[in-house]
Amino acid sequence: DTEVTQTPKHLVMGMTNKKSLKCEQHMGHRAMYWYKQKAKKPPELMFVYSYEKLSINESVPSRFSPECPNSSLLNLHLHALQPEDSALYLCASSQEGGRNNSPLHFGNGTRLTVT
Amino acid sequence: GDSVTQMEGPVTLSEEAFLTINCTYTATGYPSLFWYVQYPGEGLQLLLKATKADDKGSNKGFEATYRKETTSFHLEKGSVQVSDSAVYFCALSVNGGTSYGKLTFGQGTILTVHP
Repeated sequence: DTEVTQTPKHLVMGMTNKKSLKCEQHMGHRAMYWYKQKAKKPPELMFVYSYEKLSINESVPSRFSPECPNSSLLNLHLHALQPEDSALYLCASSQEGGRNNSPLHFGNGTRLTVT
Repeated sequence: GDSVTQMEGPVTLSEEAFLTINCTYTATGYPSLFWYVQYPGEGLQLLLKATKADDKGSNKGFEATYRKETTSFHLEKGSVQVSDSAVYFCALSVNGGTSYGKLTFGQGTILTVHP
C-alpha cells in the first residue's frame, strides 16, 4: 500500500473544463512533487514544493497550476488542457528535498484523459 | 548534465532465470543511485538505493552495487518470479545545491517473466 494517496484515480475532462488533482501524505515529509508520465516513458518532473513553497517549476505551461495548502496536501489545478496533456500524473514526497537525497515516495497516480 | 542510460528492453525471461538490467550514469557531483519499479496500473516504488561508492542496495532478492569506477549500478536477481514482471527505472539524484531531490531517470526496462 502506498503512503501517498492521490485522487481521483481516473479523470476524463474536456478542453474547456476546470478540474483539480489531489495528493495527500502523512509521513511528515516536507518536500512534495508533481510528475507527468506518458506511456512507456519515465516520469518527467513538473513542480517541486519544499516546506510548502514552490521551489522548482520545470517550465510547465500555465494551464497547470500547483498549490500546496499545507505540508500534507498538494493540489494540481487544471484548466484549458489539450489532448496531448493526457497522461498519468504522479505525486511524490520526500523527507527533505535536496540535502540528503532522501528517496521519493510515489502515489499510484491519476490517469488523465483530455477529450 | 546528469544522465542515466539503461539497457534497452523489453526483457523476457522464464521463471527462476537470472536477471541483469544494466544501468550507467553520468553526473556532476556525487550522486545517490536508485532503482524504482512500476507494476502495471501503479505508481513507482523504491526498490533499492545506494548513496556512495561500493554501497550495495538490496531488497526482495534484488541487488545493485554502486560502482564509481565504471559509473554503473546494474540490477541483479538470482531467480525471478512471474510477480517481478514490471517496468524498472534506474535513477540518480545529486546531493545538495538546488536540486531538491530531483531525480534523473533512465528510459525504463520492461521485464516480462513467463511461468
